[in-house]
Amino acid sequence: QKEVEQDPGPLSVPEGAIVSLNCTYSNSAFQYFMWYRQYSRKGPELLMYTYSSGNKEDGRFTAQVDKSSKYISLFIRDSQPSDSATYLCAMSARRDDKIIFGKGTRLHILP
Amino acid sequence: DSGVTQTPKHLITATGQRVTLRCSPRSGDLSVYWYQQSLDQGLQFLIQYYNGEERAKGNILERFSAQQFPDLHSELNLSSLELGDSALYFCASSVVTADTEAFFGQGTRLTVV
Repeated sequence: QKEVEQDPGPLSVPEGAIVSLNCTYSNSAFQYFMWYRQYSRKGPELLMYTYSSGNKEDGRFTAQVDKSSKYISLFIRDSQPSDSATYLCAMSARRDDKIIFGKGTRLHILP
Repeated sequence: DSGVTQTPKHLITATGQRVTLRCSPRSGDLSVYWYQQSLDQGLQFLIQYYNGEERAKGNILERFSAQQFPDLHSELNLSSLELGDSALYFCASSVVTADTEAFFGQGTRLTVV
């Protein structure tokens, strides 16, 4: 079983819809959870960063962590065509530990 | 623009050859990380340097090596290249040793033919 599992997609949704992206993980030591957005031909950029369980909101983006289920989610409200990208979940056990990435979900927002 | 500069952007080379990828971190960042991204393996951590010293090692092959120079730029050397080494290679940098606060460059796309 891989440490981090993420559905590769692609996921296509109409503009304005709520998008739900998810990852599961197996290592209960993970405490730091990140979501990165990667546009084509670009490097990943940090979108959301959460420590331990709970929710975090930033504009149209909400990150949720459920450590009991080893499941994390990223919700995008009022999705825009500019949100079309690959979204990678990532996690680590300690702040200065190496990050384990999911393989990414390709998201297409249809105008 | 993240402030992390990687050169070259694209590289095409033959099997058995050796190449050097270069990374200039953001101004003030002491940590440099190298990652490999391929379709089947995703983004894999290779190695980290902090202020010139090797800090952490990931899934880096023995044919690969890296170093960080006194001016904090870093180079990743890939030798005896194989077709399977074709991938995107990313450099990231951060002020301290925390991966979670790293900024990524735009990557070098390596194609081995």
